[in-house]
Amino acid sequence: NAGVTQTPKFHILKIGQSMTLQCTQDMNHNYMYWYRQDPGMGLKLIYYSVGAGITDKGEVPNGYNVSRSTTEDFPLRLELAAPSQTSVYFCASSLGNLSGRYFGPGTRLTVT
Amino acid sequence: KQEVTQIPAALSVPEGENLVLNCSFTDSAIYNLQWFRQDPGKGLTSLLLIQSSQREQTSGRLNASLDKSSGRSTLYIAASQPGDSATYLCAFYNQGGKLIFGQGTELSVKP
Repeated sequence: NAGVTQTPKFHILKIGQSMTLQCTQDMNHNYMYWYRQDPGMGLKLIYYSVGAGITDKGEVPNGYNVSRSTTEDFPLRLELAAPSQTSVYFCASSLGNLSGRYFGPGTRLTVT
Repeated sequence: KQEVTQIPAALSVPEGENLVLNCSFTDSAIYNLQWFRQDPGKGLTSLLLIQSSQREQTSGRLNASLDKSSGRSTLYIAASQPGDSATYLCAFYNQGGKLIFGQGTELSVKP
């Protein structure tokens, strides 16, 4: 199993542009998550999904959108990028909401 | 507010030392607790998951304990090696399944 994979690894975005961060898992997990990690801070939950077709907001959803059309994929969309969205983005998945989380390698995004 | 505090924020030890990383949380009604390792520029690797009904978990040179009544968890690393150098994150699951992270302890093991 590849586990949780994310693309791209790095990206530089101009202010106002949009982009989609990709996340795929091959463990048949129902739950998927997007977190952001800022320097010196813990991880903050952006959005999560409990299954295909179902998504919900986390702690810091503003400026982001998600969709979950399949069990495997959970893309994160940034609309009208702002410098405050410069961060490292991690996707994760789990079998249940209290099961251990499996994290992807992250996407380092700079908005300038 | 549910919070996780990790002390110390950074730790430097010589190779071979046994060490303890501390994690405290404000909500005694936590469910599970998970310790992660993060190498610079990398993702999070799960080290140990302590289920709600358990008090500790062991994997190789690592032992994690959980005391919900005192709101504390510790990660014990035996015979530390330079390859153990990384940031160690503690996170607990609340009743809704939300995972709440501490800010991490940055460990450096010197040869």
